[in-house]
Amino acid sequence: AAGVIQSPRHLIKEKRETATLKCYPIPRHDTVYWYQQGPGQDPQFLISFYEKMQSDKGSIPDRFSAQQFSDYHSELNMSSLELGDSALYFCASTFRGHGYTFGSGTRLTVV
Amino acid sequence: DQQVKQNSPSLSVQEGRISILNCDYTNSMFDYFLWYKKYPAEGPTFLISISSIKDKNEDGRFTVFLNKSAKHLSLHIVPSQPGDSAVYFCAASAGDVNYGGSQGNLIFGKGTKLSVKP
Repeated sequence: AAGVIQSPRHLIKEKRETATLKCYPIPRHDTVYWYQQGPGQDPQFLISFYEKMQSDKGSIPDRFSAQQFSDYHSELNMSSLELGDSALYFCASTFRGHGYTFGSGTRLTVV
Repeated sequence: DQQVKQNSPSLSVQEGRISILNCDYTNSMFDYFLWYKKYPAEGPTFLISISSIKDKNEDGRFTVFLNKSAKHLSLHIVPSQPGDSAVYFCAASAGDVNYGGSQGNLIFGKGTKLSVKP
Protein backbone atom coordinates (compact mmCIF):
# COMPACT_ATOMS: atom_id res chain seq x y z
CA ALA A 1 0.00 0.00 0.00
CA ALA A 2 1.17 3.54 -0.71
CA GLY A 3 2.53 5.40 2.28
CA VAL A 4 3.42 8.97 3.02
CA ILE A 5 6.46 9.90 0.98
CA GLN A 6 8.91 12.53 2.09
CA SER A 7 11.83 13.92 0.17
CA PRO A 8 14.67 14.27 0.51
CA ARG A 9 15.50 11.74 3.22
CA HIS A 10 18.60 13.66 4.22
CA LEU A 11 19.59 17.26 3.68
CA ILE A 12 22.66 19.20 4.72
CA LYS A 13 22.56 22.99 4.55
CA GLU A 14 24.72 25.81 5.80
CA LYS A 15 23.56 28.51 8.17
CA ARG A 16 21.45 31.21 6.54
CA GLU A 17 20.64 28.99 3.57
CA THR A 18 17.14 27.91 2.59
CA ALA A 19 15.66 24.43 2.42
CA THR A 20 12.50 22.96 0.95
CA LEU A 21 11.04 19.73 2.28
CA LYS A 22 8.35 17.86 0.39
CA CYS A 23 5.59 15.60 1.57
CA TYR A 24 3.35 13.43 -0.59
CA PRO A 25 0.33 12.17 1.39
CA ILE A 26 -1.41 8.86 1.00
CA PRO A 27 -3.69 8.98 -2.07
CA ARG A 28 -7.10 10.47 -1.23
CA HIS A 29 -5.84 11.88 2.07
CA ASP A 30 -6.80 15.54 2.25
CA THR A 31 -4.89 16.74 5.29
CA VAL A 32 -1.18 17.10 5.88
CA TYR A 33 0.55 17.79 9.20
CA TRP A 34 4.18 18.78 9.73
CA TYR A 35 6.15 17.89 12.86
CA GLN A 36 9.68 18.68 13.98
CA GLN A 37 11.68 16.39 16.25
CA GLY A 38 14.95 17.74 17.58
CA PRO A 39 17.67 15.48 19.01
CA GLY A 40 16.36 13.81 22.14
CA GLN A 41 13.07 15.70 21.87
CA ASP A 42 9.48 14.68 21.31
CA PRO A 43 7.86 15.52 17.98
CA GLN A 44 6.41 19.04 17.95
CA PHE A 45 3.51 20.04 15.74
CA LEU A 46 4.37 22.81 13.27
CA ILE A 47 1.47 23.35 10.89
CA SER A 48 -1.33 21.54 9.09
CA PHE A 49 -3.32 21.94 5.89
CA TYR A 50 -6.77 20.72 4.96
CA GLU A 51 -7.95 20.97 1.36
CA LYS A 52 -5.06 23.28 0.50
CA MET A 53 -5.85 25.75 3.27
CA GLN A 54 -3.92 26.13 6.50
CA SER A 55 -6.03 24.50 9.20
CA ASP A 56 -3.89 24.77 12.32
CA LYS A 57 -0.62 26.29 13.39
CA GLY A 58 1.75 25.19 16.12
CA SER A 59 5.26 26.20 17.05
CA ILE A 60 6.40 27.10 13.54
CA PRO A 61 9.01 29.88 13.35
CA ASP A 62 8.27 32.90 11.18
CA ARG A 63 11.25 31.91 9.02
CA PHE A 64 9.31 28.83 7.94
CA SER A 65 6.36 28.72 5.58
CA ALA A 66 4.37 25.92 4.09
CA GLN A 67 1.64 25.26 1.61
CA GLN A 68 -0.45 22.45 0.21
CA PHE A 69 -0.82 22.18 -3.52
CA SER A 70 -3.69 21.11 -5.77
CA ASP A 71 -2.41 17.51 -5.83
CA TYR A 72 -2.41 17.61 -1.99
CA HIS A 73 1.33 17.38 -1.64
CA SER A 74 2.85 19.87 0.76
CA GLU A 75 6.12 21.73 0.95
CA LEU A 76 7.80 23.19 4.00
CA ASN A 77 10.06 26.11 3.14
CA MET A 78 12.71 27.07 5.64
CA SER A 79 14.77 30.22 5.26
CA SER A 80 17.69 31.77 7.16
CA LEU A 81 18.51 28.37 8.57
CA GLU A 82 19.97 28.20 12.04
CA LEU A 83 21.94 25.44 13.73
CA GLY A 84 18.96 24.82 15.99
CA ASP A 85 16.83 23.90 12.98
CA SER A 86 18.74 20.63 12.69
CA ALA A 87 16.09 18.02 13.32
CA LEU A 88 14.01 15.25 11.87
CA TYR A 89 10.97 16.68 10.07
CA PHE A 90 7.98 14.43 9.72
CA CYS A 91 4.83 14.87 7.82
CA ALA A 92 1.67 12.89 8.36
CA SER A 93 -1.52 12.68 6.39
CA THR A 94 -5.13 11.86 7.18
CA PHE A 95 -8.46 11.72 5.45
CA ARG A 96 -10.57 14.24 7.37
CA GLY A 97 -8.63 13.62 10.53
CA HIS A 98 -8.64 9.83 10.38
CA GLY A 99 -5.98 7.29 9.57
CA TYR A 100 -2.97 9.22 10.83
CA THR A 101 0.07 7.94 8.92
CA PHE A 102 3.57 9.33 9.18
CA GLY A 103 6.27 9.51 6.56
CA SER A 104 9.82 8.37 7.25
CA GLY A 105 10.98 11.92 7.77
CA THR A 106 13.62 14.24 6.39
CA ARG A 107 16.74 14.62 8.47
CA LEU A 108 17.95 18.19 8.14
CA THR A 109 21.44 19.03 9.32
CA VAL A 110 22.47 22.68 9.43
CA VAL A 111 26.21 23.26 9.58
CA ASP B 1 3.90 23.00 29.97
CA GLN B 2 3.91 19.39 28.83
CA GLN B 3 0.33 18.32 28.14
CA VAL B 4 1.28 14.70 27.52
CA LYS B 5 3.79 13.17 29.90
CA GLN B 6 5.70 9.95 29.75
CA ASN B 7 7.60 9.98 33.01
CA SER B 8 9.72 6.91 32.36
CA PRO B 9 12.40 7.62 29.76
CA SER B 10 13.35 3.96 29.58
CA LEU B 11 12.09 0.50 30.45
CA SER B 12 13.87 -2.84 30.30
CA VAL B 13 11.89 -6.08 30.19
CA GLN B 14 12.72 -9.75 29.74
CA GLU B 15 11.46 -11.48 26.61
CA GLY B 16 8.10 -13.14 27.21
CA ARG B 17 7.17 -10.85 30.08
CA ILE B 18 4.71 -7.98 30.04
CA SER B 19 5.80 -4.45 29.14
CA ILE B 20 3.74 -1.64 30.62
CA LEU B 21 4.27 1.87 29.31
CA ASN B 22 2.52 4.74 31.02
CA CYS B 23 1.28 8.10 29.88
CA ASP B 24 -0.43 10.97 31.70
CA TYR B 25 -2.15 13.98 30.22
CA THR B 26 -3.42 17.26 31.56
CA ASN B 27 -5.78 18.58 28.89
CA SER B 28 -9.32 17.39 29.54
CA MET B 29 -10.24 18.30 25.95
CA PHE B 30 -8.20 15.40 24.60
CA ASP B 31 -10.56 12.76 23.30
CA TYR B 32 -8.35 10.52 21.21
CA PHE B 33 -5.14 8.83 22.24
CA LEU B 34 -2.60 6.96 20.18
CA TRP B 35 0.56 4.97 20.73
CA TYR B 36 3.35 5.07 18.20
CA LYS B 37 6.51 3.04 17.92
CA LYS B 38 9.61 4.69 16.53
CA TYR B 39 12.97 3.42 15.38
CA PRO B 40 15.91 5.81 15.00
CA ALA B 41 15.74 8.05 11.91
CA GLU B 42 12.31 6.69 10.94
CA GLY B 43 8.85 8.13 11.13
CA PRO B 44 6.53 7.07 13.95
CA THR B 45 4.57 3.90 13.21
CA PHE B 46 1.03 3.69 14.48
CA LEU B 47 0.41 0.91 16.99
CA ILE B 48 -2.97 1.30 18.63
CA SER B 49 -5.45 4.00 19.56
CA ILE B 50 -8.35 4.58 21.90
CA SER B 51 -11.10 7.16 21.96
CA SER B 52 -12.33 8.70 25.17
CA ILE B 53 -15.61 6.80 25.01
CA LYS B 54 -13.76 3.55 25.69
CA ASP B 55 -11.56 2.38 28.53
CA LYS B 56 -9.83 -0.48 26.76
CA ASN B 57 -8.78 -1.39 23.26
CA GLU B 58 -6.98 -4.57 22.31
CA ASP B 59 -5.11 -5.54 19.17
CA GLY B 60 -3.13 -8.74 19.32
CA ARG B 61 -0.32 -8.41 21.84
CA PHE B 62 -1.09 -4.73 22.40
CA THR B 63 -3.73 -3.41 24.78
CA VAL B 64 -4.31 0.21 25.69
CA PHE B 65 -6.15 1.15 28.88
CA LEU B 66 -7.63 4.59 29.47
CA ASN B 67 -8.53 5.97 32.88
CA LYS B 68 -10.24 9.27 32.18
CA SER B 69 -10.73 10.27 35.80
CA ALA B 70 -7.00 9.88 36.42
CA LYS B 71 -6.07 11.27 32.97
CA HIS B 72 -3.87 8.25 32.53
CA LEU B 73 -3.37 5.68 29.84
CA SER B 74 -1.12 2.71 29.56
CA LEU B 75 0.08 0.38 26.84
CA HIS B 76 0.52 -3.27 27.69
CA ILE B 77 2.57 -5.53 25.45
CA VAL B 78 2.35 -9.19 26.22
CA PRO B 79 4.35 -11.24 25.59
CA SER B 80 7.19 -8.83 24.90
CA GLN B 81 9.55 -9.71 22.08
CA PRO B 82 13.05 -8.41 21.25
CA GLY B 83 11.63 -6.86 18.06
CA ASP B 84 9.48 -4.62 20.26
CA SER B 85 12.60 -2.73 21.34
CA ALA B 86 12.04 0.85 20.20
CA VAL B 87 10.94 4.22 21.50
CA TYR B 88 7.22 4.38 22.24
CA PHE B 89 5.41 7.69 22.04
CA CYS B 90 2.04 8.41 23.53
CA ALA B 91 0.09 11.08 21.61
CA ALA B 92 -3.22 12.80 22.17
CA SER B 93 -5.54 14.98 20.17
CA ALA B 94 -8.64 17.05 20.76
CA GLY B 95 -11.55 16.93 18.38
CA ASP B 96 -10.86 18.91 15.23
CA VAL B 97 -13.62 21.39 14.48
CA ASN B 98 -12.91 20.98 10.77
CA TYR B 99 -14.10 17.40 10.93
CA GLY B 100 -16.71 17.50 13.64
CA GLY B 101 -14.65 15.82 16.31
CA SER B 102 -12.10 13.59 14.63
CA GLN B 103 -8.39 13.85 15.23
CA GLY B 104 -6.63 17.16 15.06
CA ASN B 105 -2.94 17.75 15.40
CA LEU B 106 -1.17 15.39 17.78
CA ILE B 107 0.52 16.34 21.02
CA PHE B 108 3.30 13.88 21.81
CA GLY B 109 4.90 12.77 25.01
CA LYS B 110 8.67 12.58 25.23
CA GLY B 111 8.75 8.84 24.62
CA THR B 112 9.83 5.77 26.55
CA LYS B 113 12.66 3.64 25.25
CA LEU B 114 11.71 0.00 25.62
CA SER B 115 14.43 -2.65 25.61
CA VAL B 116 13.32 -6.27 25.50
CA LYS B 117 16.14 -8.62 26.40
CA PRO B 118 16.27 -12.17 25.06
